[in-house]
Order: sequence, then structure tokens, then C-alpha cells
Amino acid sequence: EAQVTQNPRYLITVTGKKLTVTCSQNMNHEYMSWYRQDPGLGLRQIYYSMNVEVTDKGDVPEGYKVSRKEKRNFPLILESPSPNQTSLYFCASSFRDGVDTQYFGPGTRLTVL
Amino acid sequence: AQTVTQSQPEMSVQEAETVTLSCTYDTSESDYYLFWYKQPPSRQMILVIRQEAYKQQNATENRFSVNFQKAAKSFSLKISDSQLGDAAMYFCAYITGTYKYIFGTGTRLKVLA
Repeated sequence: EAQVTQNPRYLITVTGKKLTVTCSQNMNHEYMSWYRQDPGLGLRQIYYSMNVEVTDKGDVPEGYKVSRKEKRNFPLILESPSPNQTSLYFCASSFRDGVDTQYFGPGTRLTVL
Repeated sequence: AQTVTQSQPEMSVQEAETVTLSCTYDTSESDYYLFWYKQPPSRQMILVIRQEAYKQQNATENRFSVNFQKAAKSFSLKISDSQLGDAAMYFCAYITGTYKYIFGTGTRLKVLA
């Protein structure tokens, strides 16, 4: 089944404790992207990747890191999480670029205490 | 900077009736893409419709259609014959270049039986 998976789905952590949210797609997509969703703010793009080893900042990259060492995986790293990073996070992928239909993962609900 | 504005935080429609969700955007580019995404209570993000700015013909997908007014920078979504399953958050989005997304804040649509 073609899909985008994210892990974990739910995470409660404390300020400053490094964490990684994994994202994997099995559709051989070139484009992958991370978003955060907050009430009243909609979705905001954190980082995106056009292909392996090629990434760029979205609108809200501060406090986040990404890497794209393999085509299928695009992990989101929070090296020192803070409470303002409490949010719902989505990973998405599309065949070639953002114009193509994006397939979204199920979301990761992160709470930073 | 590009912006996307959805001025209706919430809308209601009677089942089988028609509803229009508004979206305006700001850009200095001449060629771009616009999207409507649906997010039902399951949180899964689903592409509803896509419009290429250089195409004058409004996009249509079954009961969903758009009214694209390029000069006015307006991109509204019309849902005809509304169904209970249409109840969701709807996000308007714009892509700059082919990689960087900007989403609106969303409109919550309620469908009344």
C-alpha cells in the first residue's frame, strides 16, 4: 500500500531533550516536506527536500533540523525542544515537486513540557 | 512576501445545498499554483483541487469547483450538493516556485442534516 508513515504518532517530552520524528514513504517520491499545524495558524512549512541531500528552509525552520540521506526517509530533528514547538506535525511527499499531489502522513502530536 | 488569507474561520451549509469558501492571496509572480486541501476529523490531509495560474479555465473535480480570479487574486472553492462527509477543515494553499508552500489559516465547514 502506498503510504507515508510517521513515528511516533504521539509524544510528550520535556524541554531540552533531543528528539527525532521519523518520516518514510514507499512511493519513490523525490519531494518531501514537513509542516506544523497550530490552531488559528493553519499549516506552516518547516523544511522541504527536493531530493537526496537537497533540502531547504520553509517559513518556520528555527529550532528544527532535517536530513535526507535516503530517498524514502526524511526525519525531523528537534535538538533542544521548547514548549513553543508543541504542535501537530505532518510529513508529506510527492512524485517530483510540490506541484504534484502531496500525500500526507497521519500526523505526530508533540507536546513539550 | 506571499500570503494566503482565508477570512471565514467557520461556515455552515445545509445538506444538499451549495457553499462557497473564500481565499485571497498576495503574490508578485505571474505563474504559480493554487490548491484546496481538506482535513476531515481523522486529520488526514487530502488534496481537493489544483489550479494553474496561467490556465484561465476554472478547475473542477466532481462536486468541487473553483472560481479563480487572477487579477483580483481570489481563489474560492464551491461545493455543490453538500454531503455530511464534506464536513472538514479546508485549507487554501499557494506554492511559490515548485517547492515552497504557503497555507491559509483554514475554514471549518459544518454540514447540517
